[in-house]
Amino acid sequence: GAGVSQSPSNKVTEKGKDVELRCDPISGHTALYWYRQSLGQGLEFLIYFQGNSAPDKSGLPSDRFSAERTGGSVSTLTIQRTQQEDSAVYLCASSLEGGSNQPQHFGDGTRLSIL
Amino acid sequence: AQSVTQLDSQVPVFEEAPVELRCNYSSSVSVYLFWYVQYPNQGLQLLLKYLSGSTLVKGINGFEAEFNKSQTSFHLRKPSVHISDTAEYFCAVTQGASGGYQKVTFGIGTKLQVIP
Repeated sequence: GAGVSQSPSNKVTEKGKDVELRCDPISGHTALYWYRQSLGQGLEFLIYFQGNSAPDKSGLPSDRFSAERTGGSVSTLTIQRTQQEDSAVYLCASSLEGGSNQPQHFGDGTRLSIL
Repeated sequence: AQSVTQLDSQVPVFEEAPVELRCNYSSSVSVYLFWYVQYPNQGLQLLLKYLSGSTLVKGINGFEAEFNKSQTSFHLRKPSVHISDTAEYFCAVTQGASGGYQKVTFGIGTKLQVIP
């Protein structure tokens, strides 16, 4: 069966441009997470979606970052007016449910480079 | 609030030697603990998890970890490593026994380098 799919795998863009990152979770998984992984850092939580509940946006670093999840499946993370410090690997994960005992299944990430 | 400390950023070890990757956590409530592995240019994969019960947890690829509540540790061990174990390993903690969503806190990772 298919795992978590992220696209693009790599994205290079100029400072100030907007970018959209896509995540397709495992079919049937109701919980979806976005993380940011910077060099030498752990995983920084960005946002969490669970079914039709209001998302937990507490990890979004600024109002330039937003995410949506349409139809309870595919999610897009949008970064507006990109800055060089946004350069990182953006990881998406999904789990069967949002319970804390559920392991997360990760995609291979999108490597974002801001010139 | 919870936190995770991985004391070693890099661990070199010779092939077929044993290895221990250290993880300590801090939490005021009961916890669930996880170890994930990340191979180059890939996402994280679950190695093992502790939810409750036996404190010795066995995972994939011959890894195991022991939950020690008094020392607030969850160290990862393997008795004999292979070249293919070269990767980055992440310890993670979340609030346990809640039955619902709780944010997962990840450590900064330990890079295991297996030397031929």
